[in-house]
Amino acid sequence: GIQVEQSPPDLILQEGANSTLRCNFSDSVNNLQWFHQNPWGQLINLFYIPSGTKQNGRLSATTVATERYSLLYISSSQTTDSGVYFCAGLIYNFNKFYFGSGTKLNVKP
Amino acid sequence: GEEVAQTPKHLVRGEGQKAKLYCAPIKGHSYVFWYQQVLKNEFKFLISFQNENVFDETGMPKERFSAKCLPNSPCSLEIQATKLEDSAVYFCASSQSWQGVGYTFGSGTRLTVV
Repeated sequence: GIQVEQSPPDLILQEGANSTLRCNFSDSVNNLQWFHQNPWGQLINLFYIPSGTKQNGRLSATTVATERYSLLYISSSQTTDSGVYFCAGLIYNFNKFYFGSGTKLNVKP
Repeated sequence: GEEVAQTPKHLVRGEGQKAKLYCAPIKGHSYVFWYQQVLKNEFKFLISFQNENVFDETGMPKERFSAKCLPNSPCSLEIQATKLEDSAVYFCASSQSWQGVGYTFGSGTRLTVV
């Protein structure tokens, strides 16, 4: 399998602040996804991003596949952004996603 | 539908009892995946299906866990003789492909073994 390391493990922001979350992989991945688990436990797929940059509203993600990392940017954070952000990587030989341990984000009003 | 439907949302079992969890994938998705989320956010892959066929079962503790995906029925994950350490949230996800296109999670079943 692969090791997935996320940083920081915990993050506290004031509403309106920007942040960058990072995900490192021990090996090259064929597929990479970012998920948000809200305080009620629901998992939402944010980005499918094996390489390049994508944007969706205040969120954007960049994956540099050759250097085995991905970044998730949150701009103008809102309290509804609180929760745990997971990245997960998939290598075709292994047929399953490997998850990081998450970044727990708390956005304060 | 456009969501992965998991039932029940909560399940409480005494140690040694059986637990059965259900998952209805998104229509048109051929792949179903089961994950176990324990304390400290750790996700453990259990098993995946391609339609009704087991695709990858390398994560399954086979002595007590079993799973099925039968035609025209929700997929199921069954735990015989539950143990305290089985307490976790069990997530099901479905996808159009095993590479993860359209990967969507259900809302999970929280299993508490007492």
